[in-house]
Amino acid sequence: GAVVSQHPSRVICKSGTSVKIECRSLDFQATTMFWYRQFPKQSLMLMATSNEGSKATYEQGVEKDKFLINHASLTLSTLTVTSAHPEDSSFYICSARPTGGDIPATNEKLFFGSGTQLSVL
Amino acid sequence: LAKTTQPISMDSYEGQEVNITCSHNNIATNDYITWYQQFPSQGPRFIIQGYKTKVTNEVASLFIPADRKSSTLSLPRVSLSDTAVYYCLVGEDNDMRFGAGTRLTVKP
Repeated sequence: GAVVSQHPSRVICKSGTSVKIECRSLDFQATTMFWYRQFPKQSLMLMATSNEGSKATYEQGVEKDKFLINHASLTLSTLTVTSAHPEDSSFYICSARPTGGDIPATNEKLFFGSGTQLSVL
Repeated sequence: LAKTTQPISMDSYEGQEVNITCSHNNIATNDYITWYQQFPSQGPRFIIQGYKTKVTNEVASLFIPADRKSSTLSLPRVSLSDTAVYYCLVGEDNDMRFGAGTRLTVKP
């Protein structure tokens, strides 16, 4: 099946530093990727929709200057948490939707990474 | 955007069949119904997707009535490893927002 690799799986950083999270589709191309954050015992909250070659679409209440998203190729999207603070500590998850025809004969239209646990001290 | 409502939690025992129902009263004509499973500190995993009637795969069945205002995920003979959060998503491909989910606990 299709694999989405998310890296790093865990990161601890000091307050004020920036952290970059990578999301790669390993065996398919993805025009669209999604970024979520999840707090303990809560659901996934959609942060933004990332489209290759264009600006990301952010959900209401998500600061685009705080959470920089770059989708420069059909297999890679990155999320950079700039000037991270303790309240940014969360579990970040990406997902990728295959470009039409890349994953034939399946109802599964969205593939998720394994998540990144960010802890800001 | 079709809002979904699921029970917050459910308990079951090993070997039982578990049915989790999701309500989506304002589902649109083009919307599909997709269920995901999530274990702690992992990304969600696709379980099943359907549009109407019944869909079955190797892990679950999905029952959708004619009015499509609800759907039921059926897990046959659950085991301890099925303890997870189950999410029902309703929408088109560009709308991937998760509801609150159902926390299923399988007991021995």
